[in-house]
Amino acid sequence: EAGVAQSPRYKIIEKRQSVAFWCNPISGHATLYWYQQILGQGPKLLIQFQNNGVVDDSQLPKDRFSAERLKGVDSTLKIQPAKLEDSAVYLCASSLDLAGNEQYFGPGTRLTVT
Amino acid sequence: AQKVTQAQTEISVVEKEDVTLDCVYETRDTTYYLFWYKQPPSGELVFLIRRNSFDEQNEISGRYSWNFQKSTSSFNFTITASQVVDSAVYFCALSDFGAGNMLTFGGGTRLMVKP
Repeated sequence: EAGVAQSPRYKIIEKRQSVAFWCNPISGHATLYWYQQILGQGPKLLIQFQNNGVVDDSQLPKDRFSAERLKGVDSTLKIQPAKLEDSAVYLCASSLDLAGNEQYFGPGTRLTVT
Repeated sequence: AQKVTQAQTEISVVEKEDVTLDCVYETRDTTYYLFWYKQPPSGELVFLIRRNSFDEQNEISGRYSWNFQKSTSSFNFTITASQVVDSAVYFCALSDFGAGNMLTFGGGTRLMVKP
């Protein structure tokens, strides 16, 4: 069974530029998550989808971050405009549903904002 | 509000030593799930175990064992006879039943196993 796929793996941009990350979850997983992991810290949830609906986006900085999962499968996370403090690894995860099932993580996208 | 504390930021052991990673959690819910994940140098988080709040039985899987104690809100992880390949950052995480499976992670413990 294929795991969670993410691209790109690395991205370097200048502040005020925009960037987009892509995630393809494990087949059949209804729930998809985006996390931000700053160096030396644990991941922090940004947004959670159940199929194509948003379950929780309370920690998403909506003035610059946006995410969508239009067909309930793939998802895109965008940052516009980027700030220096957005430098982090962006992790995508998926799980079968919301019932406490384990989440499976992708390899992440390492973003450096200069 | 949920909170997970991993007080040990870094542990260094010599191969074949046993090591215990501590995890203390806070939650108001009576139904919740606890997890451990491993993050090797490659960066991908690897699921290790999930326990629900109604099951306090300790679990053993090979060299790994977990001790869940609701009385002290702890979910500790022990690696027996550590190996160099165990070197990684280990995260403890919590999700409340009512929180839609949202995970709250601790800060992680970096384990270094030296040959």
